[in-house]
This record gives sequence, structure tokens and C-alpha cells, in this order.
Amino acid sequence: QVQLQASGPGLVKPSQTLSLTCTVSGASVNSGGYFWSWIRQHPEKGLEWIGYIYNSGRTYYNPSLRSRLTISGDTSKNQFSLKLTSVTAADTAIYFCARGRAAGDFDYWGQGTLVTVSS
Amino acid sequence: EIVMTQSPATLSVSPGETASLSCRASQSIKTNLAWYQQKLGQAPRLLFYGASIRATGIPARFSGSGSGTEFTLTISSLQSGDLAVYFCQQYDDWPLTFGGGTKVEIK
Repeated sequence: QVQLQASGPGLVKPSQTLSLTCTVSGASVNSGGYFWSWIRQHPEKGLEWIGYIYNSGRTYYNPSLRSRLTISGDTSKNQFSLKLTSVTAADTAIYFCARGRAAGDFDYWGQGTLVTVSS
Repeated sequence: EIVMTQSPATLSVSPGETASLSCRASQSIKTNLAWYQQKLGQAPRLLFYGASIRATGIPARFSGSGSGTEFTLTISSLQSGDLAVYFCQQYDDWPLTFGGGTKVEIK
């Protein structure tokens, strides 16, 4: 059974860096064919794909966030992480980590973690 | 980017009836579409990929159809446990994009 769990601070101050980690069990982030992804959901709104890491280090980011975003992986801990710099209130959202399949859909999702940007 | 538009925003259906949810793409995405169900406080769950291929464990009461720019998710014999928000997602082009969701309420 594949499980993902996102963790990180629930409160970040404006202009600072949001950092989250996703711990994966039941599958390896090193395995080919899957795209380890971050997706966020603004309050009472839809979903926004943030980006993913695959093949142990290749990344692809949403152009709207690319200039502020870094996704990295730690195969020794079977984790992948997100760093989003210069955050504003618009970055307040529930952040999900998910496993993306080669086709482009997402078959396993973590529970999500709420991050609030506020001073 | 491809814009996904879902309608209606809210759908109120009586138990046992059929709910039809619409998803429209701003350009053709062939059948590169997924549907997800998100219950309150939970992560989304994959229902369909390839527009009409049921994911593992999804009951036959759920069906997906469409291609190009028009897609439909149909839930027959609606049950109270189907109360959720349903999202569509295209994976034909980058960035991947989701619709705004349809909330299914039980009358």
C-alpha cells in the first residue's frame, strides 16, 4: 500500500520560504515511471499543480511558480521536498504530495497539510 | 495553459437518482482526462483516467465519458457516501490543470 505524508510548518511569514517534506512508504521515489508531485488547494477553491521530481532528480515546474520553486529528493530517506521562496498570502493553501503516473494522472495522494502565510 | 471548466458548481440530487457532471476543456485534450472525488477533509481519490477507464476499486455506478473538449462523469443510484467535490484534470499539455470542481449534495 503506497502512502504519502506531507509535513512542515503550518505558519510562514510573508517574504520567507515555505518548506515541506513528503515521506513515502510502500514505493520508492527512486523507481522509474512515477512523478513525485506537489499540488496545492487554495481555501474553498480548486487544485493547482505545482511541480514534480522524477528519475531521482529531474524536475518540472508549473511556469507560474518556477522562479520561486525548488523540488528535491532524498532517496536515502525516501522523501521529496518543496521549497517556495518569497511567499505571500496568495500562497496560503493545503499542500498535497501525490504520486503521478506516466500518463499524467495521480493515483496516490497524501492527506495534505495546511500552510498559512501570515505575520 | 488549458483551462478546465466544470459545471454546475453545485448539484443537489436525491438518493437513488443519477448525477451528471460536466467538464469542458478550452482546447482538445483527446481523452487525456482524469476525474477525482474529494470528500470533506480528505485528499482527492482517483476515479477515472483516460476519460473513461475506472481506477481500481471504483464501483460500476460511476462512469466517465467524452473526448476532445467535452467530458461527463455520471453517478447512478446516488448514495449518501457520494457526497463530495468532484474535480477533472487534464494531462494533455503542461502545465497540468484542474477544473474548479462540482460539489454533489444529497437532497
